[in-house]
Amino acid sequence: EADIYQTPRYLVIGTGKKITLECSQTMGHDKMYWYQQDPGMELHLIHYSYGVNSTEKGDLSSESTVSRIRTEHFPLTLESARPSHTSQYLCASSESPTGVAEAFFGQGTRLTVV
Amino acid sequence: GQNIDQPTEMTATEGAIVQINCTYQTSGFNGLFWYQQHAGEAPTFLSYNVLDGLEEKGRFSSFLSRSKGYSYLLLKELQMKDSASYLCAGIDNYGQNFVFGPGTRLSVLP
Repeated sequence: EADIYQTPRYLVIGTGKKITLECSQTMGHDKMYWYQQDPGMELHLIHYSYGVNSTEKGDLSSESTVSRIRTEHFPLTLESARPSHTSQYLCASSESPTGVAEAFFGQGTRLTVV
Repeated sequence: GQNIDQPTEMTATEGAIVQINCTYQTSGFNGLFWYQQHAGEAPTFLSYNVLDGLEEKGRFSSFLSRSKGYSYLLLKELQMKDSASYLCAGIDNYGQNFVFGPGTRLSVLP
């Protein structure tokens, strides 16, 4: 069973607010990811990390930022939320930095910006 | 490019066998993964192929042909709980990240 947790599960906030989506894993995985997924649509990679102090932007342009100060923790921050940020955000981790190992996903955060 | 293509929707009957195909550009990926995602939930890992051939795992099997850029997921003895989206994902050569296809929404009918 995967040990990767995201909080909050659901969030409704007003435009212009700063928010941080939390993601933690207890598996000691070096590689972590953030994906964005609209309902019924495909997952898009927005950020990833190879390990502590490593952060990279993914394929989908995003106004969010991430940090990786500890192996187990990979928070995602939106400095000023907008309605266009409304989506589901999925955090994942994998054992291998080279990618040839399955990714374990958290339950996701469904964000609504009003 | 890293395009991954899958049929958008499929329908099958309980107890039947269904094959979900996935095609991709051969130069882009190192391995091919399959994930299951129920509506509103996170994806869960089903299987992966790095080498050509068939990998069998209970009711689920996955096949890969690297030269043809082709994979399929075979589901046997379908159950109602198999109604979900099935995501094909490759590992890109550059950042070693998962690139997901659009997913195939499978509906299993009684």
